[in-house]
Amino acid sequence: GAVVSQHPSRVICKSGTSVKIECRSLDFQATTMFWYRQFPKQSLMLMATSNEGSKATYEQGVEKDKFLINHASLTLSTLTVTSAHPEDSSFYICSARQGEGYTFGSGTRLTVV
Amino acid sequence: SQQGEEDPQALSIQEGENATMNCSYKTSINNLQWYRQNSGRGLVHLILIRSNEREKHSGRLRVTLDTSKKSSSLLITASRAADTASYFCATEEGAQKLVFGQGTRLTINP
Repeated sequence: GAVVSQHPSRVICKSGTSVKIECRSLDFQATTMFWYRQFPKQSLMLMATSNEGSKATYEQGVEKDKFLINHASLTLSTLTVTSAHPEDSSFYICSARQGEGYTFGSGTRLTVV
Repeated sequence: SQQGEEDPQALSIQEGENATMNCSYKTSINNLQWYRQNSGRGLVHLILIRSNEREKHSGRLRVTLDTSKKSSSLLITASRAADTASYFCATEEGAQKLVFGQGTRLTINP
């Protein structure tokens, strides 16, 4: 079946630094990928839709300059959390549509100290 | 934005019993999907039911959809300890994006 690989699985960074998270579709091409954020014991909140070769579409309330998304190829989308702060600590998950269903990466636990 | 609500928020049952989770949504949908998430992990697609379907089965899973009430239910029969996880419903809106419910944390006690 379709596999989406997400790296890193965990990252700890200092406040003020930037962190890049990668999401790769391993055996299919994904023109569109989705980035979600999940706080502990809460649901997934869609942050943005990543479109290959064009600008990402951000959900209301999500700062595009804070969360930079690049989708330069049909198999890779990246999310960069810029100038990270402790409140950015969260679980970030990407997904891609495959047929009628969606395949999710294994998530990235970001801790900003 | 969140599409709807799931209930219960948490459910604890004995192994072997059946678990039922409910999901409500607010807008018109193309389909409704159920996902499982083990703690700290990604989501696993369980089952999809289209808006013109009323019931669907997959192994020990049974999903119903009532579009008039804008609700769905997920039944897991003969539960196992390995079923312990959080379960989310998600609706696909016209923009081809998933909107998730709040989730149900299911605990199966041995």
